[in-house]
Amino acid sequence: GEDVEQSLFLSVREGDSSVINCTYTDSSSTYLYWYKQEPGAGLQLLTYIFSNMDMKQDQRLTVLLNKKDKHLSLRIADTQTGDSAIYFCAESAGGFKTIFGAGTRLFVKA
Amino acid sequence: GAGVSQSPSNKVTEKGKDVELRCDPISGHTALYWYRQSLGQGLEFLIYFQGNSAPDKSGLPSDRFSAERTGGSVSTLTIQRTQQEDSAVYLCASSPDPSYEQYFGPGTRLTVT
Repeated sequence: GEDVEQSLFLSVREGDSSVINCTYTDSSSTYLYWYKQEPGAGLQLLTYIFSNMDMKQDQRLTVLLNKKDKHLSLRIADTQTGDSAIYFCAESAGGFKTIFGAGTRLFVKA
Repeated sequence: GAGVSQSPSNKVTEKGKDVELRCDPISGHTALYWYRQSLGQGLEFLIYFQGNSAPDKSGLPSDRFSAERTGGSVSTLTIQRTQQEDSAVYLCASSPDPSYEQYFGPGTRLTVT
């Protein structure tokens, strides 16, 4: 079945760039998402990209999609302590079902 | 406006007891989802409602799990005869349309002792 994989932990220093990587298996994915989960809260959509795009930039966030390799990445420029959270990669083929990864816990050291 | 709310926020129960978890979606959202989040695991899809009907129950882990949605709004997830492996955070999400962004509630942390 469909699967989404991402590394579980990432640690960066404040001010550095963070890059969170994700791979997925569903070749019919139409939408690819990044959600952020802060402690004690539900997931919040951070950004998304359509499968016919290679890149999307939104302020400090850059999403890169390599559809051939089924690889998605999220780059956070000038990472701040407030960016510490769990980041979930997810994919959807356009129907109701969205497949989520296990989440990458980002630690930002001051 | 108000977001998705879930109650209780925390629930501790003894093994073998039944529990009910409640989700209040955003008003007007027709799609409602339940997920289970275990430590180190991704979000495990449990069930999806479109209006009051559940076209996909394939994610429910066993027949001890059931869910209903009434009036196209509030949903309850019931777990009967709870087991320790049921301990997890249960997340609810709603969406104005199945293909749109999902809005998540804060979750219910269930601990079975």
